[in-house]
Amino acid sequence: EPEVTQTPSHQVTQMGQEVILRCVPISNHLYFYWYRQILGQKVEFLVSFYNNEISEKSEIFDDQFSVERPDGSNFTLKIRSTKLEDSAMYFCASRWTPLRSGANVLTFGAGSRLTVL
Amino acid sequence: RKEVEQDPGPFNVPEGATVAFNCTYSNSASQSFFWYRQDCRKEPKLLMSVYSSGNEDGRFTAQLNRASQYISLLIRDSKLSDSATYLCVVNRGSQGNLIFGKGTKLSVKP
Repeated sequence: EPEVTQTPSHQVTQMGQEVILRCVPISNHLYFYWYRQILGQKVEFLVSFYNNEISEKSEIFDDQFSVERPDGSNFTLKIRSTKLEDSAMYFCASRWTPLRSGANVLTFGAGSRLTVL
Repeated sequence: RKEVEQDPGPFNVPEGATVAFNCTYSNSASQSFFWYRQDCRKEPKLLMSVYSSGNEDGRFTAQLNRASQYISLLIRDSKLSDSATYLCVVNRGSQGNLIFGKGTKLSVKP
């Protein structure tokens, strides 16, 4: 079964450092997403990406965050100048069709756990 | 009102029990509804989509009431392996992205 692959599985960083989380979506998928989940809290939408540009972003996704699809296979989330409150599990997800079609759903990667010290 | 609201539980039930989870959502324009399952420290995985007519997949039955903006999940004959957090998921508006409830924790005991 096709998978969304994320690296690293766990990253520990010092406050103020930059972090890049990487994702390889399922190969024929067109829509890409980043979600995060702070320990004990709900899964929160960060950003969606389609046709090489951001299609929607949440209020969490401020100037500290950026996304990129540098080479047609990887999809990255960059967090500049990390803060303690950025500690969370970051999930990448991908989808083939728009949500309004109903039939296809998001497939999530296993997540990258970020710990900011 | 929260966008997606669920009873956090935990629901502690014996094997073989029937258990029901409820969820309400605030955006009447939402068109896609799902139940996801999340094991501890793992990614959410799709359990089933929810359709207006209701749908069943083995021991699992999902119902949608658009008028009341209410979604339910029924699990019959609970197994130990059903122990997980069940996430109610709704899209924000007609084409918006998926919004997750905080989840309802289920623990099935022998």
